[in-house]
Amino acid sequence: DTEVTQTPKHLVMGMTNKKSLKCEQHMGHRAMYWYKQKAKKPPELMFVYSYEKLSINESVPSRFSPECPNSSLLNLHLHALQPEDSALYLCASMASVGNEQFFGPGTRLTVL
Amino acid sequence: EDQVTQSPEALRLQEGESSSLNCSYTVSGLRGLFWYRQDPGKGPEFLFTLYSAGEEKEKERLKATLTKKESFLHITAPKPEDSATYLCAVFSGTYKYIFGTGTRLKVLA
Repeated sequence: DTEVTQTPKHLVMGMTNKKSLKCEQHMGHRAMYWYKQKAKKPPELMFVYSYEKLSINESVPSRFSPECPNSSLLNLHLHALQPEDSALYLCASMASVGNEQFFGPGTRLTVL
Repeated sequence: EDQVTQSPEALRLQEGESSSLNCSYTVSGLRGLFWYRQDPGKGPEFLFTLYSAGEEKEKERLKATLTKKESFLHITAPKPEDSATYLCAVFSGTYKYIFGTGTRLKVLA
């Protein structure tokens, strides 16, 4: 099974709302990623968790808060977002042997 | 600094018209070059991994090759369903991937 799941598929939120994105994989991968992708641009790295510890934070604003409750699950908590945060948010996990990444389908986020 | 450049930015082909996409890279200590296909509004789909110069991988109408400075994705006799954005990425360790800006391919029937 090479599937990464993400929920919800779509999310519309106001600038004062608090919401969370969820990502899950059951491939036993120990590294999990959050990316942000704008239209016609490549994925932009936000966070990397390795063995459930935050390894990389690409200077992401504090209104984005990642969490890795266990090796299969990754959350991204959202609070007080801006309209420019509207994008496709992608989760990925990295295979331990081949280093390839497997991506989820993404969450399309719209901030009003 | 690690860098990846893809060309062309966009490509329109007639069905059956073969072509190649280019991915040029500079990286210290390549531990993998990856090709992905991305359909609009969806997550990238893994296609190939290449590790060393001279390596080649094939899947249906796609063939990926690698030299010390670049990789090519050859598309033979493409069909409209091959229309997508093709992303190249390099990995040099420490969990960080460097993505190219992608090539948007449109295959016309």
